[in-house]
Amino acid sequence: DQQVKQNSPSLSVQEGRISILNCDYTNSMFDYFLWYKKYPAEGPTFLISISSIKDKNEDGRFTVFLNKSAKHLSLHIVPSQPGDSAVYFCAASAGQAGTALIFGKGTTLSVSS
Amino acid sequence: ETGVTQTPRHLVMGMTNKKSLKCEQHLGHNAMYWYKQSAKKPLELMFVYSLEERVENNSVPSRFSPECPNSSHLFLHLHTLQPEDSALYLCASSQTGQGFYGYTFGSGTRLTVV
Repeated sequence: DQQVKQNSPSLSVQEGRISILNCDYTNSMFDYFLWYKKYPAEGPTFLISISSIKDKNEDGRFTVFLNKSAKHLSLHIVPSQPGDSAVYFCAASAGQAGTALIFGKGTTLSVSS
Repeated sequence: ETGVTQTPRHLVMGMTNKKSLKCEQHLGHNAMYWYKQSAKKPLELMFVYSLEERVENNSVPSRFSPECPNSSHLFLHLHTLQPEDSALYLCASSQTGQGFYGYTFGSGTRLTVV
């Protein structure tokens, strides 16, 4: 049973528009959420995170929103750029910082110019 | 070298072979992980080492055998694999106990079992 779900395998967006990637989770013990970005032939790289005590975290063009009651988080990228085209993984952690992350299946974002 | 380095980048092996994957981290982290990424599946946690001790073994078949000789090195020994074990194997490291830093991943080893 998947604890972290990314139900959209792919998303296509035009350059300059907003990209919204969604993630749902089932484990109410998760207290830290992260987004990773992965290019082909490379390992995932950390993008942005949010603690369960917050509902929003912003870093430049990237904003993560957390809705604890709905067990839902989303990553907003605005404006989207062609270089943002990659696979985006949502991940969650429960308990102590640095413990094992649980990942979703990923969403492939394609940004066209 | 910086970050997390995995070798080899690609590996093709027969079902009767024995091979090893290597991971080295240059970040001073104290925890290391093996993940498996198969097509259309989430990254699956395989093993966790914290302070060189295995703290988690996520129901992985015994044909996968991890080894962590020190905090900078992690190996995954492979023997008698099956074609369904073909996947991207990712190593990651992190620092526990000092706030949340997330993981730093290597580029992975693309394994094909024939």
